[in-house]
Amino acid sequence: AQSVTQLGSHVSVSEGALVLLRCNYSSSVPPYLFWYVQYPNQGLQLLLKYTTGATLVKGINGFEAEFKKSETSFHLTKPSAHMSDAAEYFCAVRVQGAQKLVFGQGTRLTINP
Amino acid sequence: DTAVSQTPKYLVTQMGNDKSIKCEQNLGHDTMYWYKQDSKKFLKIMFSYNNKELIINETVPNRFSPKSPDKAHLNLHINSLELGDSAVYFCASSQDVWALSGNTIYFGEGSWLTVV
Repeated sequence: AQSVTQLGSHVSVSEGALVLLRCNYSSSVPPYLFWYVQYPNQGLQLLLKYTTGATLVKGINGFEAEFKKSETSFHLTKPSAHMSDAAEYFCAVRVQGAQKLVFGQGTRLTINP
Repeated sequence: DTAVSQTPKYLVTQMGNDKSIKCEQNLGHDTMYWYKQDSKKFLKIMFSYNNKELIINETVPNRFSPKSPDKAHLNLHINSLELGDSAVYFCASSQDVWALSGNTIYFGEGSWLTVV
């Protein structure tokens, strides 16, 4: 069965600093990996996803993530944090033929002025 | 146009009541889902329907009964509400649950249910 672990339930960075949100997955078959963002009192919005091909994936709002099979990781990064990036971020995994997304526990990102 | 819409967005109700949350998607997708987000923000699937047929039921109490009148709608009815049912319920949809490609699952805005 697949699973996702997000390291750090809360990450705090200064405005303009690098954002790094960690995600590791467990899957016996090649996974499809997703990052979703949830702004306060709102639904989930897809940031980016990895299916096949290029392992560095670019998403919306300047975010990107790199699939590293050897490390079973899919960390989310953004070079320069903006106040509007403050939100909850969820990593999720889905394997071929699987009927559902399995989510990590989420990481709350706080941006300090 | 909202792709996945659910109503109501906020619902406060007393224990023991019966309530429904409605969901509609206009994406032409075959598969719809209900996810529950608890107070610690953890998201877990409850149900999934593909072309109106139930394909996932994740050990949810039978007080929860999903109904899919057509593939664009998946409603969630909850009987005899309990305090522990307080959560955010997300409806979602995807093109095809069986697809081999990593089809995106699109989420609605959520329904905040508070049982008092």
